[in-house]
Amino acid sequence: GAVVSQHPSWVICKSGTSVKIECRSLDFQATTMFWYRQFPKQSLMLMATSNEGSKATYEQGVEKDKFLINHASLTLSTLTVTSAHPEDSSFYICSAGSWTSRETQYFGPGTRLLVL
Amino acid sequence: EDKVVQSPLSLVVHEGDTVTLNCSYEVTNFRSLLWYKQEKKAPTFLFMLTSSGIEKKSGRLSSILDKKELFSILNITATQTGDSAIYLCAVNSGNEKLTFGTGTRLTIIP
Repeated sequence: GAVVSQHPSWVICKSGTSVKIECRSLDFQATTMFWYRQFPKQSLMLMATSNEGSKATYEQGVEKDKFLINHASLTLSTLTVTSAHPEDSSFYICSAGSWTSRETQYFGPGTRLLVL
Repeated sequence: EDKVVQSPLSLVVHEGDTVTLNCSYEVTNFRSLLWYKQEKKAPTFLFMLTSSGIEKKSGRLSSILDKKELFSILNITATQTGDSAIYLCAVNSGNEKLTFGTGTRLTIIP
C-alpha cells in the first residue's frame, strides 16, 4: 500500500512555457500532499503543502504565482510551473502520508524538468 | 528554524564493511525522525523512529534514536554495492512537514 505516482517522469520545455506535473495517491486518500524540489547533489527542499479543497501553503521564498498548486481531489494534486525558465530546471517530487501512518510520507518517483 | 544535520556528507567503503551514518537535529516540536534511501529517483522509506533507545531493524540495516542528545544513527552491516545511495534523515515537527538533512552519499566499492 501507500503508492504515489507522478506524471510525467521527464519533461523538456522551452523557456516561457508552463508545465503541469501530476501527483496521485493510488491506493489511499491524501488530504495533504507535499511538493519538494531537489537540485543536483542537494537535499530535498519543501516548496509547499497542498491541502485538498483549500489553498496551498507555500514555504518562504517560493513564489505562489509561479508554482501553482491545485489539490482538486483526495487522490490528486498538481503543480504547474508557469513561465518556466532555465533556473527552474530541477527534480520535483511529491509525497503524501497515508491514513494509517500520516507521519510516514511516501514519495512519488519524481519529475525531472529541463527548461531550455 | 528547524535544522537537521547529517554526517559525514560522503563516505566510501569496501564491500563487507560496516558503516554508521549520523543525524542530529534541532526542532521546536519533535514528533518523529525518518530515514530514507535515495538512489536515482525519489526517496524510499526505511525507518520511522519516535522513541529513544528502541532499535529498529530491517535485515542489515538498523537505526536508533536518542531524544535526549537529539540524534539518530543508521547502521548498515556487511555492506553490498546495492547499498550505494544517498541516505536522507528527516524530522517531522508536528504538522506532517518534513525537514530534511543534506544527506550522506554512501559509495560501496566492490
